[in-house]
This record gives sequence, C-alpha cells and structure tokens, in this order.
Amino acid sequence: TQLLEQSPQFLSIQEGENLTVYCNSSSVFSSLQWYRQEPGEGPVLLVTVVTGGEVKKLKRLTFQFGDARKDSSLHITAAQPGDTGLYLCAGAGSGNTPLVFGKGTRLSVIA
Amino acid sequence: DVKVTQSSRYLVKRTGEKVFLECVQDMDHENMFWYRQDPGLGLRLIYFSYDVKMKEKGDIPEGYSVSREKKERFSLILESASTNQTSMYLCASSLGLISPLHFGNGTRLTVT
Repeated sequence: TQLLEQSPQFLSIQEGENLTVYCNSSSVFSSLQWYRQEPGEGPVLLVTVVTGGEVKKLKRLTFQFGDARKDSSLHITAAQPGDTGLYLCAGAGSGNTPLVFGKGTRLSVIA
Repeated sequence: DVKVTQSSRYLVKRTGEKVFLECVQDMDHENMFWYRQDPGLGLRLIYFSYDVKMKEKGDIPEGYSVSREKKERFSLILESASTNQTSMYLCASSLGLISPLHFGNGTRLTVT
C-alpha cells in the first residue's frame, strides 16, 4: 500500500514569513499533485509535478518533486492571509489505482 | 470550467434513515469518486466509478453503496445511516483515473 506522509500537520505563521511543507513516501510515484482547500470548499488543484527533480513556480509558491519521485515539497515565500487553507498532496501510482492522498497540512497565516 | 455540483451543502438525518447524496459533473469525465473527510484522517476514498454502471470499492466502502446510471451523475447511498457516518462528503471527477481531480464543494452530513 502506498502512503504519503505530510508534515507538519499544522502550521501557524505571521504574514510575511516563509514556510515549507513536505510530502514524503517510501514509494515511487509517477506524478504528484498539490491541492489547496479553503474552508467550506472542495480542494482545488494547484500544480502537478511529473519529472524527478522538477521545480514549478506559481507566483509565491514553489513546488519541487524529489529526484527519486518519492517526495515533494511546497515552499511559500512571504505568506499572506489568503494562503490560509489545507494543503494536500496526492500521488499517482501505476495508473490502475486512484490517487493516494496525504492527510494534509493546515496552514494559518495571521495578519 | 469543470463544474462538479453536489446537491446539498448540509444534511441532517436520523440514525437508520436511508440517505442519498447526489453529484453531477458537466465535463463528460469518465471517472467519478466519493470521499469522506474527517479531521486528522484526511480524505478517504469510499467508492469510485470508471464508467457508467461500473463501480469499485475504495478504502472504506462498508455501510455505503453507489449508483452510476448516467455518465454525469454519481450517487452515494447510506443504506442505514449511523452516527459514525457524520462527516464531510466530497465528490470528484477526472478524465483519467490518476488525472487531476475536480471536486464539488462538499456535503456536510450530520446523523443524529
């Protein structure tokens, strides 16, 4: 069974600070997706990373896929209150089974 | 833009009732999914469907069933609701089984 561990589980920071959240596994994934879920809404896709070592940027968010495709990180620069939410990573395996989700990191950015 | 619509945002049901949660997507996606989301447990897959009338059990199918009579509609059925089924239920659809998911806004179900 493939598992994804996300850390930290909770993170509360001041506006303007930088942060990194992690998504780790002992399994190899063909790709990894990151979602953000705001209160009262469903998760929304932020990015998909496919190639080992790949780095993708979305404004102040930087996503990296590990070289061995077993882990990923999300770095936020100069966090803003609008970044508050639950960040979920999801790994794609062989294509015959659905995505595997981590339990998420709940981020709170205080103004 | 893909839209996944869940019929109710909030539902309150009594123990033992039969409960139907409806989900409709408008992008002709092959795959549809039902998850429940609980604090500390993350998203857990209940059932998914890769085609009309086809269904597969997810990680926690006990106490639930599903129906997919039309491509755009995927229903989750709680045969006899119990208090431990109080949860947020999220429906999603995708083009391929591991393609990015498009989620609805969820149904918060309370069973009393």
